[in-house]
Amino acid sequence: AQKITQTQPGMFVQEKEAVTLDCTYDTSDPSYGLFWYKQPSSGEMIFLIYQGSYDQQNATEGRYSLNFQKARKSANLVISASQLGDSAMYFCAMSPGSSGYSTLTFGKGTMLLVSP
Amino acid sequence: DAGVTQSPTHLIKTRGQQVTLRCSPKSGHDTVSWYQQALGQGPQFIFQYYEEEERQRGNFPDRFSGHQFPNYSSELNVNALLLGDSALYLCASSLGHEFGSGANVLTFGAGSRLTVL
Repeated sequence: AQKITQTQPGMFVQEKEAVTLDCTYDTSDPSYGLFWYKQPSSGEMIFLIYQGSYDQQNATEGRYSLNFQKARKSANLVISASQLGDSAMYFCAMSPGSSGYSTLTFGKGTMLLVSP
Repeated sequence: DAGVTQSPTHLIKTRGQQVTLRCSPKSGHDTVSWYQQALGQGPQFIFQYYEEEERQRGNFPDRFSGHQFPNYSSELNVNALLLGDSALYLCASSLGHEFGSGANVLTFGAGSRLTVL
């Protein structure tokens, strides 16, 4: 079974500052994928970034980067230069590599509030 | 390029009733997954449809059933509604054969918010 843990219920950051959202995971699969999604109040889950378990380099997508530490089973999301529009719920999720199907296990999420 | 569309956006039912939620996948996608998101929680996987068959199922009772049509659209049916079924139901689409490439990212709709009274 796979498990995702997000220990920060809420985070506050000032505009233009960087923020790190924590995520730890547990799985017995040797191959897996790690994802971060953003969920604004509208409800739609917006894909941010993906990291494969065998990827050697940390993933980056614009202002988003994923700090992947495989030995510690952590996959923290770093948002640089926060913007007011970044205020939303953020979910860490993982998919199994062995089954070959794109099902996701999500954490409970972290609410990020960006202040002016 | 149309994304994932879901209907209805909101609905209210009473205990014991049945509900049907609908989903049209993103253009070009052939796989549809359904997730339940209770208030304050992350989404939980219900089931996934590919080639009109249920390919994988999460830990949900048989009251939850689904269907995929030849045009890849999908329905989620919930029978004998319980108060605990109140949640946001999210539909997500993807390409069934591209898993593992990193490109097989789920695209989500905005969800159907179900309230059971």
